[in-house]
Amino acid sequence: EVQLLESGGGLVQPGGSLRLSCAASGFAFSSYAMTWVRQAPGKGLEWVSTIGGLGTFYADSVKGRFTTSRDNSKNTLYLKMNNLRAEDTALYYCVKGLALLDYWGQGTLVTVSS
Amino acid sequence: DIVMTQTPLSSPVTLGQPASISCRSSQSLLHSDGKTYLSWLLQRPGQPPRLLIYEISNRFSGVPDRFSGSGAGTDFTLKISRVEAEDVGVYYCMQATQFPRTFGQGTKVEVK
Repeated sequence: EVQLLESGGGLVQPGGSLRLSCAASGFAFSSYAMTWVRQAPGKGLEWVSTIGGLGTFYADSVKGRFTTSRDNSKNTLYLKMNNLRAEDTALYYCVKGLALLDYWGQGTLVTVSS
Repeated sequence: DIVMTQTPLSSPVTLGQPASISCRSSQSLLHSDGKTYLSWLLQRPGQPPRLLIYEISNRFSGVPDRFSGSGAGTDFTLKISRVEAEDVGVYYCMQATQFPRTFGQGTKVEVK
């Protein structure tokens, strides 16, 4: 059974940093691209980043501030978020896949507020 | 960026009756590899999204056959042949033909 467990969310002040983690199990993690998608409270879905064999891609809204990485030995995906803004407040989902986003974690909530 | 536009944004439905959602993209979703990377996802209240349909019309594992997808190019449709209570939630179309991936605004399906 595919499982994706996000962690690392919390309350942070504007300009602060956080690192999200996503522990994956139930599939050959190193063989798959992984994606971050976020959802602001009461809003729709917004793609954030994808890491895979083609490279790492970012939404313009986070480029230069967020960094996606992975540790295949630990089956873990990361999202390092710097210079956080109020508009980054959202539930961040870890998702398996590149074009086919087939499994989603439960999400971890990031709140940026003073 | 490819803009995804869904209609309607809200769809009150009667259980047992059909429902349909449209999704239009601002440019063709046909990839150079010949595939069209248009997916449909359902987000039930309080839950993460789940994949229903990928590449226009392929049902994901475990998805009931009352869900079907169709379309080509820039116009796509999700149909539910007979709505059941568990189908209530917000439906999103998503394109993965190019970066950035983009989603439709979401269509809220609720029981009348």
